[in-house]
Amino acid sequence: DVKVTQSSRYLVKRTGEKVFLECVQDMDHENMFWYRQDPGLGLRLIYFSYDVKMKEKGDIPEGYSVSREKKERFSLILESASTNQTSMYLCASSHHGGLAGSNEQFFGPGTRLTVL
Amino acid sequence: AQSVTQPDIHITVSEGASLELRCNYSYGATPYLFWYVQSPGQGLQLLLKYFSGDTLVQGIKGFEAEFKRSQSSFNLRKPSVHWSDAAEYFCAVEGQAGTALIFGKGTTLSVSS
Repeated sequence: DVKVTQSSRYLVKRTGEKVFLECVQDMDHENMFWYRQDPGLGLRLIYFSYDVKMKEKGDIPEGYSVSREKKERFSLILESASTNQTSMYLCASSHHGGLAGSNEQFFGPGTRLTVL
Repeated sequence: AQSVTQPDIHITVSEGASLELRCNYSYGATPYLFWYVQSPGQGLQLLLKYFSGDTLVQGIKGFEAEFKRSQSSFNLRKPSVHWSDAAEYFCAVEGQAGTALIFGKGTTLSVSS
């Protein structure tokens, strides 16, 4: 069974802390994505990566950075957490190439982050 | 720019009744369209997708969707809703192959007995 796992389901941090959210996929996918999900706003793309050590900004990259040192792992970093980063964070992965639209994104269960 | 609109924020349907969730997209070329479902506390699961061929697409859990280019729509339907269908539903569009999806804001479905 294909899987995307996220390091924590729930996380509570204090303002100013550095926060690491980890995502691992076991499907040998080239693409990995980080979204945040907020009520009434749907899913918004933070960053994505097409390959190891490559990253692209999404729609809301401010306040975040990412790291992809290995193909299976994509980390989201909050350099100095703020209360407005309290949210649900979803990781996803997909194959790259092939028929457009055939590259289904597989999602992890999400990490609910609270910044106090 | 590509965009997806889900006009209904929240819908309540009686168990056993039919369901239609609306999705409109904005995209110049042939869109590649998806419907995902998110049960409470879970990640997103793909229900179905359209990228070519037959405009009526069958998915999992008894769902189907119809692509209508003239109306820029990709509405999700189910003939008889079960209580376990209560969840949040997201419509999404993909641009070029392998790029990120653009999601609508979601529709929350409640099922009444």
